[in-house]
Amino acid sequence: DTEVTQTPKHLVMGMTNKKSLKCEQHMGHRAMYWYKQKAKKPPELMFVYSYEKLSINESVPSRFSPECPNSSLLNLHLHALQPEDSALYLCASSQDWEGAGTDTQYFGPGTRLTVL
Amino acid sequence: EDQVTQSPEALRLQEGESSSLNCSYTVSGLRGLFWYRQDPGKGPEFLFTLYSAGEEKEKERLKATLTKKESFLHITAPKPEDSATYLCAVQDSGNTPLVFGKGTRLSVIA
Repeated sequence: DTEVTQTPKHLVMGMTNKKSLKCEQHMGHRAMYWYKQKAKKPPELMFVYSYEKLSINESVPSRFSPECPNSSLLNLHLHALQPEDSALYLCASSQDWEGAGTDTQYFGPGTRLTVL
Repeated sequence: EDQVTQSPEALRLQEGESSSLNCSYTVSGLRGLFWYRQDPGKGPEFLFTLYSAGEEKEKERLKATLTKKESFLHITAPKPEDSATYLCAVQDSGNTPLVFGKGTRLSVIA
């Protein structure tokens, strides 16, 4: 099973709202990722968690706050977003991040976020 | 700097008309090359991982090949359900993020 689940599927929020995106995997993967994808563009990496610790933050604005409560869960907390933050937010996981091997990333279905 | 270039940007095929998608890459040390399929509004679906030049992998109508500078995704006798955007990504040696190409939008017409 290579399933990564994400909730909600769709989210509409105002610029003053606080919301959270959730991601879950039960493949025993120790690396989890958040990506942002605009229409007709490839995914852009936002954050990498390895063994529940933040390994990479690709200069993402502080209005995006990631959290990894345990090895299976990844959250993205959203606050005071701008309309230009509207996009498809993708979660992915892989076996490892710091290992010597090549780790295939498996993506979830994404959350379509609209900021009004 | 790692770079990935996919061509063509868009491809329109008749059902049954075989073709190939190209992914050219520049990395200092290839750790892996990945192919994904993405339908509109959905997450990328993993297809193949290739590790070294000369490697080939197949799945149904798809076959991926790898050389030291590029990878090809061959589509044999495509069907309309093969219509999607195909993404290529590479990972350099070390703990480096995936570098994605811009994708090829494939349309297969019945």
